[in-house]
Amino acid sequence: ETGVTQSPTHLIKTRGQQVTLRCSSQSGHNTVSWYQQALGQGPQFIFQYYREEENGRGNFPPRFSGLQFPNYSSELNVNALELDDSALYLCASSLGGQGAVYGYTFGSGTRLTVV
Amino acid sequence: DQQVKQNSPSLSVQEGRISILNCDYTNSMFDYFLWYKKYPAEGPTFLISISSIKDKNEDGRFTVFLNKSAKHLSLHIVPSQPGDSAVYFCAASGFDSNYQLIWGAGTKLIIKP
Repeated sequence: ETGVTQSPTHLIKTRGQQVTLRCSSQSGHNTVSWYQQALGQGPQFIFQYYREEENGRGNFPPRFSGLQFPNYSSELNVNALELDDSALYLCASSLGGQGAVYGYTFGSGTRLTVV
Repeated sequence: DQQVKQNSPSLSVQEGRISILNCDYTNSMFDYFLWYKKYPAEGPTFLISISSIKDKNEDGRFTVFLNKSAKHLSLHIVPSQPGDSAVYFCAASGFDSNYQLIWGAGTKLIIKP
């Protein structure tokens, strides 16, 4: 059973650029959630995908968008990067809505730095 | 407006003693509460959860207590071991949040040998 894998692990981008982060969910999981974790804070929910459809969104602007593929892997896209987008981006997978009760499986994250 | 608060940024405990990590929340509609542990350069790892209809849940060295009237929960680790040194996050979910997790800011636990 493989866990959640994220790529790349680190990334440096310039303000105004666009970035795509990738996530492979744990085997058997069909739900993927993305979180942003700023330094010294807890993760903030960005959005969730279930069976390729967006299934909930946090308080993030439309320039944060995502996709889920038939194999349940997922992408997070951020357009027009701002300095405040610098953070650790975490991907988490679960089977349906069980993550909210029994816990999600998290990847190690992508550290994005915007300069 | 922080719905889930962990007021202690750090906690230092002697190896073998009890570690008690605290968490307060403001939304009485939360149904589930979870604790995660995070090592540097790794993602959070699920530890233990509790439903709002219970007041205690135990799993090995880890016990979570829920006091709904005080809107307070705590994680007890007994006995504390060096490998327990990590950042611990409290998270909550419920109908209001569409069952997405609302997280506290974390408490860094340091176990001293």
